[in-house]
Amino acid sequence: DGGITQSPKYLFRKEGQNVTLSCEQNLNHDAMYWYRQDPGQGLRLIYYSQIVNDFQKGDIAEGYSVSREKKESFPLTVTSAQKNPTAFYLCASSIGRRTQHFGDGTRLSIL
Amino acid sequence: GIQVEQSPPDLILQEGANSTLRCNFSDSVNNLQWFHQNPWGQLINLFYIPSGTKQNGRLSATTVATERYSLLYISSSQTTDSGVYFCAVERNAGGTSYGKLTFGQGTILTVHP
Repeated sequence: DGGITQSPKYLFRKEGQNVTLSCEQNLNHDAMYWYRQDPGQGLRLIYYSQIVNDFQKGDIAEGYSVSREKKESFPLTVTSAQKNPTAFYLCASSIGRRTQHFGDGTRLSIL
Repeated sequence: GIQVEQSPPDLILQEGANSTLRCNFSDSVNNLQWFHQNPWGQLINLFYIPSGTKQNGRLSATTVATERYSLLYISSSQTTDSGVYFCAVERNAGGTSYGKLTFGQGTILTVHP
């Protein structure tokens, strides 16, 4: 079945540690996105990528980094510079600016 | 940046009732999508509707881009319709960049049996 797979579902981070969230899609979509959702809030865009080897900052990119070395993969690293990383992280993909399809998300917490 | 306001913030219905959710936005857009987030956090795309009207079963949506609003209609609501409904838009800024959606705060819908 085609879809977007995010892993892990739950992740815990210690102070000063970098962690990487995985996002893989087999929909053959060119564009991929990372969003952050805080409790009771809408989604906010962290980074997005329209093609391989290219990506742009979204509205809240500070403390995060990404790579896009393969069309199907768009991993997100939450660095130690992100002071409030506890949130629900969602990855999406699309064909152009059309319908965005989402993975099931990763819940990140601070230990 | 573009502002997205959704109303009402909360809505409680009895099963079988109809409802209308509204999304107002502050600037010209070339992309508007409606999503449903279920209680487990899964986000499902309902409509890609930058203009015009679309229907999918009991759900339909209308976007009047010139007046900067969109409406989502839910008819004969079911308990499985419960969750949060988000509107998301992309400002029409020209150029070739795309996909930069700004989400509203959502409407929390609760449908009682």
